[in-house]
Amino acid sequence: DIQMTQSPSSLSASVGDRVTITCRASQGIRNDVGWYQQKSGKAPKRLIYAASSLQSGVPSRFSGSGSGTEFTLTINSLQPEDFATYYCLQHNDYPHTFGGGTKVEIK
Amino acid sequence: QVQLVQSGSELKKPGASVKVSCKASGYTFINYAMNWVRQAPGQGLEWMGWINTNTGNPTYAQDFTGRLVFSLDTSVNTAYLQISSLKAEDVAVYYCARSAYDGTFDIWGQGTMVTVSS
Repeated sequence: DIQMTQSPSSLSASVGDRVTITCRASQGIRNDVGWYQQKSGKAPKRLIYAASSLQSGVPSRFSGSGSGTEFTLTINSLQPEDFATYYCLQHNDYPHTFGGGTKVEIK
Repeated sequence: QVQLVQSGSELKKPGASVKVSCKASGYTFINYAMNWVRQAPGQGLEWMGWINTNTGNPTYAQDFTGRLVFSLDTSVNTAYLQISSLKAEDVAVYYCARSAYDGTFDIWGQGTMVTVSS
């Protein structure tokens, strides 16, 4: 199975900060990665697909990059509504696997 | 609009079965695969498998084989997840999620909480 190692598992940041979350795949997966935001008690929401394509309607402060084994989600100028848990997902091979999640908290 | 609406919370006794439904609307149901994802309390997301909504062929993640059944009723654009012989460790929120053409999951149901307690 392809493991997705996500880091950090949590972080504290202030409104206006730039935040970077990383997922490392245990083997090359091209750009077959999506990023999700999940708020407490809600379903995940897709932010990024194909590693770097922004989901329609998602603010442009969110961006994704990477290919192969290393992928990054960046949030520029963190806003109050961005405090949530973020997950990466690889769909290159079965079983599809999620990263362990990154909880973004208010400093 | 495109949406997936799941059935409500369930409370079951150990050893019982549960069937969760996921009704699709706003798009052609058989054109997009459906996935099932589990989230235990306070934990991350786990992919359980998917079902080809055109053929009805299911694929189960290895960790979930044996007690799961994915099924469809295409006449009502609904996918189902059935779990038998429920155990305490099955307590979780279960989500259905549509596979987009790029392979990621673009539309999610609101989740169904399954509680197992005697």
